[in-house]
Amino acid sequence: RKEVEQDPGPFNVPEGATVAFNCTYSNSASQSFFWYRQDCRKEPKLLMSVYSSGNEDGRFTAQLNRASQYISLLIRDSKLSDSATYLCVVIGGGGSNYKLTFGKGTLLTVNP
Amino acid sequence: DAMVIQNPRYQVTQFGKPVTLSCSQTLNHNVMYWYQQKSSQAPKLLFHYYDKDFNNEADTPDNFQSRRPNTSFCFLDIRSPGLGDAAMYLCATSSPGRMDGYTFGSGTRLTVV
Repeated sequence: RKEVEQDPGPFNVPEGATVAFNCTYSNSASQSFFWYRQDCRKEPKLLMSVYSSGNEDGRFTAQLNRASQYISLLIRDSKLSDSATYLCVVIGGGGSNYKLTFGKGTLLTVNP
Repeated sequence: DAMVIQNPRYQVTQFGKPVTLSCSQTLNHNVMYWYQQKSSQAPKLLFHYYDKDFNNEADTPDNFQSRRPNTSFCFLDIRSPGLGDAAMYLCATSSPGRMDGYTFGSGTRLTVV
C-alpha cells in the first residue's frame, strides 16, 4: 500500500462548480498534513495545512479524520485559476518527524 | 526576499556525462532536501541533509550523490545520467519546529540526450 494515495483524477469541472479531493495515508504515526498546489512545470506551493478540527481559507476547506487516516479538500465556486494539480502531503511517521511524503496528485481543470 | 534558488532552471546533459545541480537558500533552514519528480508522478525524496548529517533514502540509486558544503548551499551530483534520470529536480528547505514551514525552489528540469 502506498504511503499517500489520492483520487487518480483528472477532474474536469465547469466554473462555479464545487469539487472535492480525497486522500488516505497509511502511517498512523503521521503528524502533519497539507495540501499543495502545483502548476504545470512549476514547483509545489503550499495551499493550506490540514487540522483535525477542519479549517477553511476562503473557498477552500480541508478536513482530517485521523481515525480513518483520511484527508479531504473541498473547493467551492471553482475559478479558472484553480486549474492545477493538487498534492496531498503528509509529514511524520517512519522515524522522521520532518520529511514530506507526497501523494501522486490529482489534476483539476476548470472549464469556462 | 528570502528564498530557495535553484540553478540552472533548465539543464541539458549528455548520456553518461556527470552533471551537478545547485541549490542555495537564504532562510537559514537546518534541512535541505532533493526531490525527483517525473512527469505525472509525485515528487520522490532522494536524500536530505539535517545540518551536516546526510540521510539517503533506501531506494535512491548510487548514481545520485549530494554535497552540502555549508548551511546555504546543497548540490545534487548525477555521476552518469541515463535517459531515465530526465526529470524535474526540486530542492526544498525546512527547519523543524519553525512556523515558516517548507520552501521549495523553482526546480531544475533535466534533459538527458
